Amino acid sequence: AQSVTQLDSHVSVSEGTPVLLRCNYSSSYSPSLFWYVQHPNKGLQLLLKYTSAATLVKGINGFEAEFKKSETSFHLTKPSAHMSDAAEYFCVVSQYGNKLVFGAGTILRVKS
Amino acid sequence: NAGVTQTPKFRVLKTGQSMTLLCAQDMNHEYMYWYRQDPGMGLRLIHYSVGEGTTAKGEVPDGYNVSRLKKQNFLLGLESAAPSQTSVYFCAIRGAPSDEQFFGPGTRLTVL
Repeated sequence: AQSVTQLDSHVSVSEGTPVLLRCNYSSSYSPSLFWYVQHPNKGLQLLLKYTSAATLVKGINGFEAEFKKSETSFHLTKPSAHMSDAAEYFCVVSQYGNKLVFGAGTILRVKS
Repeated sequence: NAGVTQTPKFRVLKTGQSMTLLCAQDMNHEYMYWYRQDPGMGLRLIHYSVGEGTTAKGEVPDGYNVSRLKKQNFLLGLESAAPSQTSVYFCAIRGAPSDEQFFGPGTRLTVL
């Protein structure tokens, strides 16, 4: 069965500095992987997805993630944090193309 | 939120009361899902449907029932609410063959 581990429950960065949110996955076959973002009291929005094409995936708002099969990782990065990036981020793996399995989430705080 | 609406947005129940949450979509997608979100646990799948007239159990189905009488609607019922069902409930839809899910805005339920 697929599973996802987000290695940090909270990450704090200063505005203008890089963001790194870490995610490791477990899957018995080539997975589809996603990052979703949830701003306070809002629904979930898809940031980006990996579906076995390019290993470096670009998403919205300047975010990108790199799929590393050897490390079973799918870390989310952004070169320069903005105040509007403060939110909770979920790493997600697709189970057999039908169901999604969510990580516990990482809350990103951006300091001015 | 990509044509997915949820009603109500907020609800407070007393223990033992019943209620139904409605998810409606205007995208003609086959797959619909109900999740609950609790702090530090990500989203967990309650029930899902792969088409009109079909339903299946997810990860945490106990205490909930669902129905998909019309393709565009997916109902989640609580027959006898318990405080452990206090949560934020999200509906999601998916159109095959993509495994990307689109989420509704959520329903915040409090059971006293």
